Amino acid sequence: SYVLTQPPSVSVAPGKTATITCGGNNIGSKSVHWYQQKPGQAPILVIFDDSDRPSGIPERFSGSNSGTTATLIISRVEAGDEADYYCQVWDSSSDHDVVFGGGTKVTVL
Amino acid sequence: EVQLLQSGAEMKKSGESLQISCRASGYTFTSYWIGWVRQVPGKGLQWMGVIWPGDSNTRYSPSFQGRVTISADNSISTVYLQWSSLKASDTAMYFCSRLRGSYGSDDFDIWGQGTLVTVSS
Repeated sequence: SYVLTQPPSVSVAPGKTATITCGGNNIGSKSVHWYQQKPGQAPILVIFDDSDRPSGIPERFSGSNSGTTATLIISRVEAGDEADYYCQVWDSSSDHDVVFGGGTKVTVL
Repeated sequence: EVQLLQSGAEMKKSGESLQISCRASGYTFTSYWIGWVRQVPGKGLQWMGVIWPGDSNTRYSPSFQGRVTISADNSISTVYLQWSSLKASDTAMYFCSRLRGSYGSDDFDIWGQGTLVTVSS
């Protein structure tokens, strides 16, 4: 089965840039979606199709995907960005299962 | 407004059956896949399966195939997740979510608020 690897945690100072990676075999050939989940809340979609933002998501959130790594970048980090972030793809090799990364806890210092 | 509203928290014992629900509003219910995602306390997201309410076509994650049943009632725009015999390991938060577009490529754009299921042994 397809595996997505994320760092367990990322720490960043307010106003700086947070970079969250999501590694997978030839992930650049897949569409990657990113979700933000704050404690006690449901996930929300922050990036779809590698780099598109849903309406209402700040431009500070951006994404890229190439080779074996997809990346979510949060620019000018704010305290309210502190959350868990999950990447997601579809595994076309196994009857199209949904695969989530293990999640990355972003801590704003 | 597009919304998914889930049923309330449940406390059950091992071996009991359970059905939780997810009611959709604000869009054409039969035109979008709806999926279920499990989150064990303190852990990540696990995809369980999806259903196309239009014809009840259902796909399950191998990890949950045979352990749960996903169904839909189009007359009340509601999707269900059902267990016939709960285990303590089923204790988790369960989220329903709408697949924005195509099965096999797209994202989950709308999420329910979650239903906490606690199973005691």
